[in-house]
Amino acid sequence: KAGVTQTPRYLIKTRGQQVTLSCSPISGHRSVSWYQQTPGQGLQFLFEYFSETQRNKGNFPGRFSGRQFSNSRSEMNVSTLELGDSALYLCASSQAGLVDIQYFGAGTRLSVL
Amino acid sequence: AQSVTQLDSQVPVFEEAPVELRCNYSSSVSVYLFWYVQYPNQGLQLLLKYLSGSTLVKGINGFEAEFNKSQTSFHLRKPSVHISDTAEYFCAVSEDGGFKTIFGAGTRLFVKA
Repeated sequence: KAGVTQTPRYLIKTRGQQVTLSCSPISGHRSVSWYQQTPGQGLQFLFEYFSETQRNKGNFPGRFSGRQFSNSRSEMNVSTLELGDSALYLCASSQAGLVDIQYFGAGTRLSVL
Repeated sequence: AQSVTQLDSQVPVFEEAPVELRCNYSSSVSVYLFWYVQYPNQGLQLLLKYLSGSTLVKGINGFEAEFNKSQTSFHLRKPSVHISDTAEYFCAVSEDGGFKTIFGAGTRLFVKA
């Protein structure tokens, strides 16, 4: 069974641009969560989707948004990029929710110049 | 609100020595507890989880953890570490009925020859 796939692996953008990150969960998994990882703040929860519905979100500004498609694939969008958005963005999938085991992708490393 | 504190940011240890990585959490409701490991340039991998039942949980790679409700702790232990255990370890908590996971700041385990 294929694991969680995140694309692209690396991304370089400039301030003010927007970016879309993609996450393909493990087949059969309906829950997808997104996290931002930085050296200073550690791993911070962005949001969780289940069956195309956002069930919870972390404390991030509205520039961070996401969605989930009917095939459970998820995208995360960041608009008006700031230097502080440079981070490793991790996606995790599970069968039904967060008490299930979460399987993480390798992440997308975003650098904002 | 739930929170997770990993008491040590770095733990250096010699190969074949025992190690304990400490984790305390706070929550007003029932929780589920996890330990994840992250190797360089990779996503997170689940080591073990506590959902209910026996307070001593065994995971992969010889790791185990003990849930102590009175002390709100979930310390990770391994009786004999290997060089290959060098990585960053994250403790995480999900509240029963919640849809997000909160991660600790991480503990970097460095195993020396």
